Amino acid sequence: NAGVTQTPKFQVLKTGQSMTLQCAQDMNHEYMSWYRQDPGMGLRLIHYSVGAGITDQGEVPNGYNVSRSTTEDFPLRLLSAAPSQTSVYFCASRTGQGHNSPLHFGNGTRLTVT
Amino acid sequence: AQTVTQSQPEMSVQEAETVTLSCTYDTSESDYYLFWYKQPPSRQMILVIRQEAYKQQNATENRFSVNFQKAAKSFSLKISDSQLGDAAMYFCAYRSQGGSEKLVFGKGTKLTVNP
Repeated sequence: NAGVTQTPKFQVLKTGQSMTLQCAQDMNHEYMSWYRQDPGMGLRLIHYSVGAGITDQGEVPNGYNVSRSTTEDFPLRLLSAAPSQTSVYFCASRTGQGHNSPLHFGNGTRLTVT
Repeated sequence: AQTVTQSQPEMSVQEAETVTLSCTYDTSESDYYLFWYKQPPSRQMILVIRQEAYKQQNATENRFSVNFQKAAKSFSLKISDSQLGDAAMYFCAYRSQGGSEKLVFGKGTKLTVNP
């Protein structure tokens, strides 16, 4: 089972550039989300989706866009990268059956903005 | 807003010994879910154990168990018979029962296992 697949694993951007972090899951999970992990900060929710066509903002949404056209895919777009967006990004998914269902994480993308 | 506090930035334990990682949280809700995740150097986030607030019985998964004290808002993780492979960052996390999809994480505890 592939689970949650994120690409790329590493990326370096210059300030002002745009890019899309890809995320795909093959578990037919309804819920998908993006987190960023910064040193000493734990993980913080950027955006999430409860199903195809439905997205909502998390704790730190500024500078990021998302869309959910299919159940499987949940890309994260940086429209104009800033050094403050240097971080490790995790995509996660979970089933909607049961509030206690755990998140399944991808392996993360390390993004550096210079 | 809910907050999760892990007061031990770093912990160490001898192989085969037992270690307890602390986690406290702040919430006004009565129903919620708590999780412990492990992040080894590979960066992968791995679920260790989960607890439903309505359950009084502490969750157990093999060598991992929790001490859930709802009134004290405490959710500590005990690792028994520690192994070298247990070395990792450990994150405590909270989720509301309904409405919010947000998982609130603590800042993590780095566990070192000494041979």
